[in-house]
Amino acid sequence: KAGVTQTPRYLIKTRGQQVTLSCSPISGHRSVSWYQQTPGQGLQFLFEYFSETQRNKGNFPGRFSGRQFSNSRSEMNVSTLELGDSALYLCASSLPGATEAFFGQGTRLTVV
Amino acid sequence: AQSVTQLDSHVSVSEGTPVLLRCNYSSSYSPSLFWYVQHPNKGLQLLLKYTSAATLVKGINGFEAEFKKSETSFHLTKPSAHMSDAAEYFCVVFWNNNAGNMLTFGGGTRLMVKP
Repeated sequence: KAGVTQTPRYLIKTRGQQVTLSCSPISGHRSVSWYQQTPGQGLQFLFEYFSETQRNKGNFPGRFSGRQFSNSRSEMNVSTLELGDSALYLCASSLPGATEAFFGQGTRLTVV
Repeated sequence: AQSVTQLDSHVSVSEGTPVLLRCNYSSSYSPSLFWYVQHPNKGLQLLLKYTSAATLVKGINGFEAEFKKSETSFHLTKPSAHMSDAAEYFCVVFWNNNAGNMLTFGGGTRLMVKP
């Protein structure tokens, strides 16, 4: 059974650009959540999607957005990139009612 | 609302000595609790989880944790540290209900193992 797959693994972008990250959950997992990890702020929750609907959102500006497709794959988009957006972005998937989430390897975004 | 506090940002032990990484949580209901480990430039690996079964939970690589409701703690221990245990460890609360699910992470504890 394939795990959670995040693409790309590494990205370098320039300030002001936008970026789209992708997360393919484990087969059958309909919940996908996104997290940002930075040295200063640690791991913070961005948002969670279930059956193409955003159910929860963390405390991030509107530049951070996401969506989920009918096959449960999810994308997150960051517009007008800032240096502070440089981080490891992790996604996790879980089954409905599950007591555990499974993480991908992450996408490391560097904004220069 | 839930929160997680890892009481030590850095812990240093000698190889072969016990490891104790401390975690306190706050949750408005019975939580699911986890410990994850992250090696440099890697993703998160699940060490162990507590989901309201046995209060002493055994995980991978010789780690275990004890859920103490009265103390709202979920400390991670290992009898004998190995050099390969050097990594960052995260204590996590997971909630999942009809409104959604979310993981709340502690600030992390960096474990250093001296030869």
